Amino acid sequence: EIVLTQSPTTMAASPGEKVTLTCLASSSVNYMYWYQQKSSASPKLLIYYTSSLASGVPDRFSGSGSGTSYSLTISSMEAEDAAIYYCLQLTSTPWTFGGGTKLELK
Amino acid sequence: QVTLKESGPGMLQPSKTLSLTCSFSGFSLSTSGMVVSWIRQPSGKSLEWLAAIDWDGDKYYNPSLKSRLTVSKDTSNTQVFLKITSVDIADTATYYCARNPDYWGQGVMVTVSS
Repeated sequence: EIVLTQSPTTMAASPGEKVTLTCLASSSVNYMYWYQQKSSASPKLLIYYTSSLASGVPDRFSGSGSGTSYSLTISSMEAEDAAIYYCLQLTSTPWTFGGGTKLELK
Repeated sequence: QVTLKESGPGMLQPSKTLSLTCSFSGFSLSTSGMVVSWIRQPSGKSLEWLAAIDWDGDKYYNPSLKSRLTVSKDTSNTQVFLKITSVDIADTATYYCARNPDYWGQGVMVTVSS
């Protein structure tokens, strides 16, 4: 099983601040997917195939990485970005999620 | 547009079998490449992928729960089902179905309690 480790676990950012979230995989994966989850809502896809922006997602979100190291970047933090972010690998079953990063507004 | 909606019993007793239904529209599971997954999330915790079924009828299970899981679909390819046998308190969670990787249902909360 590929274990995904997200860091940090929790962080706070000020409006306008650049934010970078990391997801490390225990084995190499082909692509990474990133989701945003607010309160009790279902997760929303932000990034697919590592760096492709999902439909309707603001372009302040971007993804990058390869092999075992991936990141999600918010170029300029906005209040609505406060949420929990999860990474997901679909390279090999069991498909696995990271433990999540809780991003708060400072 | 693509929509998915989960339905289930809400609450059930330990040792019983949990039956969940995912009803979807806006796509056909018979289309090549389509996959529908079941994922769960205990309150305050991360997401756990449970099982999936693809357009060809191939099934995929999380080994940690495989012996208790059965995923299936209906012949019209508009519903996917998940059964979990011998539930216990640890199975209490919100259960989601999702079309890999983009669309998710709203989730259904399931509580296992005596």
